[in-house]
Amino acid sequence: QQQVKQSPQSLIVQKGGIPIINCAYENTAFDYFPWYQQFPGKGPALLIAIRPDVSEKKEGRFTISFNKSAKQFSLHIMDSQPGDSATYFCAARAISGGYNKLIFGAGTRLAVHP
Amino acid sequence: NAGVTQTPKFQVLKTGQSMTLQCAQDMNHNSMYWYRQDPGMGLRLIYYSASEGTTDKGEVPNGYNVSRLNKREFSLRLESAAPSQTSVYFCASSQTGGRSYEQYFGPGTRLTVT
Repeated sequence: QQQVKQSPQSLIVQKGGIPIINCAYENTAFDYFPWYQQFPGKGPALLIAIRPDVSEKKEGRFTISFNKSAKQFSLHIMDSQPGDSATYFCAARAISGGYNKLIFGAGTRLAVHP
Repeated sequence: NAGVTQTPKFQVLKTGQSMTLQCAQDMNHNSMYWYRQDPGMGLRLIYYSASEGTTDKGEVPNGYNVSRLNKREFSLRLESAAPSQTSVYFCASSQTGGRSYEQYFGPGTRLTVT
């Protein structure tokens, strides 16, 4: 019930392509769904996030699509660039003792080739 | 602001040795977390602290202890290191309550146990 399943494990696209990373969850109590971006040798950093009362959110070239009935959400990167090459983690927030508990997916390693 | 800082950056231990990973944040956050990151497994929560003076177990607490020294500092101790604890360890912090759920991560400690 606490799992967040992420796919694919790795992804290679050409510059300008639109990589799509998918996540699915079971726990309907999750109320916040962030995506984190991690560059090699660095800690993850928040990229974009969505709440379940919204079906889509865009920030620059990054878009989250959210399907509440299917319990799925995905990250789309428009006009991808080599600088987008990183590992991407989806996550879901669970309320636990009043604190901010995030359950992370396994991660997707994205490579954007020039 | 330095954000979240971690020391050391790298460490090699022999089986059975002990060590403490240090973490500090300067964002006046109440909540702090320790995660481990292993290939194909995402980020798994080891321990968290919702506020100064409180700590609770996460998903994978066995073999670890923590201390919330004050509001800024949260340390992770390995009493008797095992090869299974070879991993990258991340400390994170966040606000408690409100609508800001973002967790801010440190740069990580890469630990190898031989």
